[in-house]
Amino acid sequence: DAGVIQSPRHEVTEMGQEVTLRCKPISGHNSLFWYRQTMMRGLELLIYFNNNVPIDDSGMPEDRFSAKMPNASFSTLKIQPSEPRDSAVYFCASSLAPEVETQYFGPGTRLLVL
Amino acid sequence: KQEVTQIPAALSVPEGENLVLNCSFTDSAIYNLQWFRQDPGKGLTSLLLIQSSQREQTSGRLNASLDKSSGRSTLYIAASQPGDSATYLCAVHSGSARQLTFGSGTQLTVLP
Repeated sequence: DAGVIQSPRHEVTEMGQEVTLRCKPISGHNSLFWYRQTMMRGLELLIYFNNNVPIDDSGMPEDRFSAKMPNASFSTLKIQPSEPRDSAVYFCASSLAPEVETQYFGPGTRLLVL
Repeated sequence: KQEVTQIPAALSVPEGENLVLNCSFTDSAIYNLQWFRQDPGKGLTSLLLIQSSQREQTSGRLNASLDKSSGRSTLYIAASQPGDSATYLCAVHSGSARQLTFGSGTQLTVLP
């Protein structure tokens, strides 16, 4: 298996622009997580999907952030409009059964908002 | 709200030394505890997962222990090597949202 796939790997954009991050989980995994990593706050969970349904989005910072999972093999995280403080590394992770198995992380998308 | 603390924040040791990384958490109602490794500019790689009913897990030179009642875990690395240099993250799986709460990590440097 190719593991969790994220695109793009790097994104540089200007403040106010829309940013869309993409994730393909490991085939067969029914749980998908979006995390954000910054030097100041470390790794934080943004949103968790189970069977394509958002279960907990309490970590989403504000209404500028939205996430979708239209099917079991694809998810997007969208920021509109983007701000410099959104600059971070965004990770997607998937798991078959989070209570007993590990989460597999993608390589991350490094976002810089100028 | 679950909080995870890792001590020390950074550690530098000579090659061949045995070392211990510490992790503590505030809410003992956990499903499992995991240790991850993160290399600079890379994603996270799972090292060990300890279920809440287990006391320890071993993989090669790595041994992780869990004392749920006291809210503590340790990661023991035997005979450290320069290739072990990375940031080690402890994460606790808990809560109704099934979320992982991460510590801030220990940055390990093994000197040749």
